[in-house]
Amino acid sequence: ETGVTQTPRHLVMGMTNKKSLKCEQHLGHNAMYWYKQSAKKPLELMFVYNFKEQTENNSVPSRFSPECPNSSHLFLHLHTLQPEDSALYLCASSQDRGLDTEAFFGQGTRLTVV
Amino acid sequence: AQKVTQAQTEISVVEKEDVTLDCVYETRDTTYYLFWYKQPPSGELVFLIRRNSFDEQNEISGRYSWNFQKSTSSFNFTITASQVVDSAVYFCALSAYNISGSARQLTFGSGTQLTVLP
Repeated sequence: ETGVTQTPRHLVMGMTNKKSLKCEQHLGHNAMYWYKQSAKKPLELMFVYNFKEQTENNSVPSRFSPECPNSSHLFLHLHTLQPEDSALYLCASSQDRGLDTEAFFGQGTRLTVV
Repeated sequence: AQKVTQAQTEISVVEKEDVTLDCVYETRDTTYYLFWYKQPPSGELVFLIRRNSFDEQNEISGRYSWNFQKSTSSFNFTITASQVVDSAVYFCALSAYNISGSARQLTFGSGTQLTVLP
């Protein structure tokens, strides 16, 4: 039990589908993150939310749309994805945005776009 | 700009061997933190250690030890007497402020896949 729960664990979607990834944390943290993990590449930070406000969007294509309704929940809405978007999508949370604050990660959603 | 390099993509060792995972970082900041995370097959990254830029003391925790050397910008991780359960992807990460100094940026390396064979 990591404290950060992601659903679904696996998702296969067509390029014309619309789906959403969900992340939930019960750690009382104020910051939440979406990362993309592709094989043999560094984790890519996609979005950061701090106290429910989006503070970073690292040039992510608009086909990825995040939503943070409250400090405990984070969604990633997906539409008209491309095969190269296939990856492991990791959600993380941290107490705050301090330099020394470690992030707690969920188990990820393995996304395959066909 | 921040950068973390883990040159070893994959390492295989036989159980009970010692293994060192390399991490080299780049930053212009004088204040920063370095982290190591372990990613087992289940997927979640598990926090292992944090070290700040002003503390160059090496640290040992059981079979794990970390060697931080600012002179070479390295933060290497050694597992002594490796076990099969140590098989995982290990990530090194650097926490520093972004270029504008407005927010903290956590930069990960590409990870090292460690396989410990029985």
